This record gives sequence, structure tokens and C-alpha cells, in this order.
Amino acid sequence: QVQLQESGPGLVKSSETMSLTCTVSGGSISTYYWSWIRQPPGKGLEWIGYIYSGSTNYNPSLKSRVTMSVDTSKKQFSLKVSSVTAADTAVYYCARTLGELYGYFELWGRGTLVTVSS
Amino acid sequence: DIVMTQSPDSLAVSLGERATINCKSSQSVLYNSNNKNYLAWYQQKPGQPPKLLIYWASTRESGVPDRFSGSGSGTDFTLTISSLQAEDVAVYYCQQYYTTPYTFGQGTKLEIK
Repeated sequence: QVQLQESGPGLVKSSETMSLTCTVSGGSISTYYWSWIRQPPGKGLEWIGYIYSGSTNYNPSLKSRVTMSVDTSKKQFSLKVSSVTAADTAVYYCARTLGELYGYFELWGRGTLVTVSS
Repeated sequence: DIVMTQSPDSLAVSLGERATINCKSSQSVLYNSNNKNYLAWYQQKPGQPPKLLIYWASTRESGVPDRFSGSGSGTDFTLTISSLQAEDVAVYYCQQYYTTPYTFGQGTKLEIK
């Protein structure tokens, strides 16, 4: 069965760039839309954006600081967030949708906590 | 952005009783061209990622128990658990995918009374 696994540093310094990777195992990366979603501790969910075959769509609230990319040969997609602050401390999830108008998240990774320190 | 507002913020229900969670969107999420509501529901237990329960407002995801049901159209939606089980204790979120940015409700915490 298809699984998603997030990886990356758990601690990032304020003003630096955080980088996360999601590895897709057991299935194709090419035919789906891949999103990043975050959840600050004890709070709700925020969609960061998606990537599909190299095309991206970012949440305007984060657009100026976010970059997503995909490496189909490694079956990985990545997230970079620049100029991080304490407000970026969250559990970051990668998730799959079937398309932009099928934007319900039917598969999720377990999530990885990123803490921004001063 | 479409704002999703859930009510109540928290809910305590006795085992075996019905639980009802409401979700209201700031604009309609119904596409007239296909008569589909672009609304999903998720369940999140502590330390776990959200789990998709319902999509298209009322279509149950494979493997989800039939005590979970979704209803509503346009801007007003409901998630109903017909007979609460202990394993249903969780936070529930609605989400619209009518347009990007996709947005979620603030969550409803469901507990046992």
C-alpha cells in the first residue's frame, strides 16, 4: 500500500530556511497532486500548497516564502519555507489528492514536528 | 479565502447516542455544473494525522463505519455519528476544496459524556 514519510530537521533557527522532504513508497508519484499541510501545536490545519508534475499552487498567506519541488526519480517532493519565525513551528504533513477539483486529502504522512528557535 | 466555521467547538455525548457537528462556509461550495458539494470531513486522534471520513459532503471513504454520515449543501453541512463509540473520541474538521486556498474549519473536539 502507498505510504508517505516526511523527513527533515526538527529544529530550525529563526530567519533561516526550513526544508522538508516527503517520500512516496508503494505507488506512483506522477499521477497525483501532492500537498503540504501544517498544524501548529494544539491548533488547526493550514494548507500550504500543492505540486503536480512540476506545477505549483501556493496559499497566498505563505506564497512569498514557500517553494515546492518534485524529484520523480526518487519519488520525493519537497517543501522549503524561508525566513522562518516562531509562528512556523508546527507539525508538517504531506498528503495526496487526486486533482485540484478533487482536493480532499485521502492519504497523509504521519507528520514531522518542526520547531523554530530564536 | 472561503472561511469555514464549525459549531460547536467542543461536544460531549454519551456512548451510543448521536453526535452532530456543523460546518458553515462563507460562500457556497456547490458547483452547479455537476451538483457536487466540495466539502470533506476528517477525524484526528491525538498524535495522528487527520483521517478522511467523508468527501463530496456525503460520500463515505472506504472502510469508514456507516455510523458516520455527512449531509448538507451550499453553505451548511453536518457530520453525524449515529451511535457514538469510545473510539470516536477525536477532533473533527471540515474542509472545502471548491477553490484554492483549500481551507479547514477550526475543529470540533468530541468527548464522551
